[in-house]
Amino acid sequence: EAGVTQFPSHSVIEKGQTVTLRCDPISGHDNLYWYRRVMGKEIKFLLHFVKESKQDESGMPNNRFLAERTGGTYSTLKVQPAELEDSGVYFCASSQGEQVLFNTEAFFGQGTRLTVV
Amino acid sequence: AQSVTQPDIHITVSEGASLELRCNYSYGATPYLFWYVQSPGQGLQLLLKYFSGDTLVQGIKGFEAEFKRSQSSFNLRKPSVHWSDAAEYFCAVGALNFGNEKLTFGTGTRLTIIP
Repeated sequence: EAGVTQFPSHSVIEKGQTVTLRCDPISGHDNLYWYRRVMGKEIKFLLHFVKESKQDESGMPNNRFLAERTGGTYSTLKVQPAELEDSGVYFCASSQGEQVLFNTEAFFGQGTRLTVV
Repeated sequence: AQSVTQPDIHITVSEGASLELRCNYSYGATPYLFWYVQSPGQGLQLLLKYFSGDTLVQGIKGFEAEFKRSQSSFNLRKPSVHWSDAAEYFCAVGALNFGNEKLTFGTGTRLTIIP
């Protein structure tokens, strides 16, 4: 069974440009999460989808970030326009069912390393 | 709000030596605690988790962790490390607001193994 897949693995863009990150969760997983790690800091929650609905987007830093999950399958995270402080590693995770912390494991992708120059 | 502190940014141990990685948390209720590992080029992998019950939790790859409520700690241990254990380790606390779950991570501890 394929794991959580993220594209691209690395992206280098100039300040002001747009970047779109993609996450393909494990098939059948309704829960999809985005997290971000800024260099040397903790991994921070960005948002949580249940199927195509945003369950919690309290961690999104500002309106330059837009996450979508059309059809409840893969998700995209767009940064427009990108700023220097957006650099970091963006992780996606997926899990099955409700009360994920009790019953099931959240599986993480390998992350996308975004560098804004 | 919950928080996690991993006081050691980088630890170096010899292969075969014992290991303890420290984790302290702050959370207003009974915590749900996790340890994840990220090996080079890989995603985060769950090592073990604690929800309730026995305070000594066994995980994969020979790791264990002990929950100590009085110290607000959840330290990760391994009696004898292998070169393949070189990775970055993250402690996390889970906030459960029904239907609204998220993890709060520490800053991570990078483990280097020397021969």
